[in-house]
Amino acid sequence: ETGVTQTPRHLVMGMTNKKSLKCEQHLGHNAMYWYKQSAKKPLELMFVYSLEERVENNSVPSRFSPECPNSSHLFLHLHTLQPEDSALYLCASSRTPGEKLFFGSGTQLSVL
Amino acid sequence: RKEVEQDPGPFNVPEGATVAFNCTYSNSASQSFFWYRQDCRKEPKLLMSVYSSGNEDGRFTAQLNRASQYISLLIRDSKLSDSATYLCVVSRTSGSARQLTFGSGTQLTVLP
Repeated sequence: ETGVTQTPRHLVMGMTNKKSLKCEQHLGHNAMYWYKQSAKKPLELMFVYSLEERVENNSVPSRFSPECPNSSHLFLHLHTLQPEDSALYLCASSRTPGEKLFFGSGTQLSVL
Repeated sequence: RKEVEQDPGPFNVPEGATVAFNCTYSNSASQSFFWYRQDCRKEPKLLMSVYSSGNEDGRFTAQLNRASQYISLLIRDSKLSDSATYLCVVSRTSGSARQLTFGSGTQLTVLP
């Protein structure tokens, strides 16, 4: 039990679909993150939220839209994705930005 | 040059062997260092933080050399369950925020 719950575990979607990934942390942390992990590549930071405010956006395409309604919940809204967006998407949290991360179990996304 | 570099391996070692991984980082302002392990198709999990004086946790020893800008992980008496990818993670301040950068990982397979 990592304290970070992420759903769904697996997602297959077409390029015209709209879907959302959900993340919830039960650790009382103030920072939450979305990472992308493609095969044979290091983890890529997508978004960072600190106390519900976005503090970093690493030039992520607008077809990925994050939402952080409170410090315990984080969403990643997906629309009109491309096949190259297929990857493992990981949510994480930390006590404050830059501290050690605790990850959710990830969503394995396949875009057809 | 990548900010965090690791030998990708794979390292294939017999049970009971001692194995060492190195990781180099390019930014001398880096402040905190971690080792994570990631099993196939799973999320990364914190293995240990790395402290300036070096630290040990059972069979695992982590060391930091700030002058040479590298960190190491030593695993003694390898077990089959140690088979995983080991990720080096470096934290530094960028602007007003701290950020973590992940290495690509070193793959370890412990053979019976």
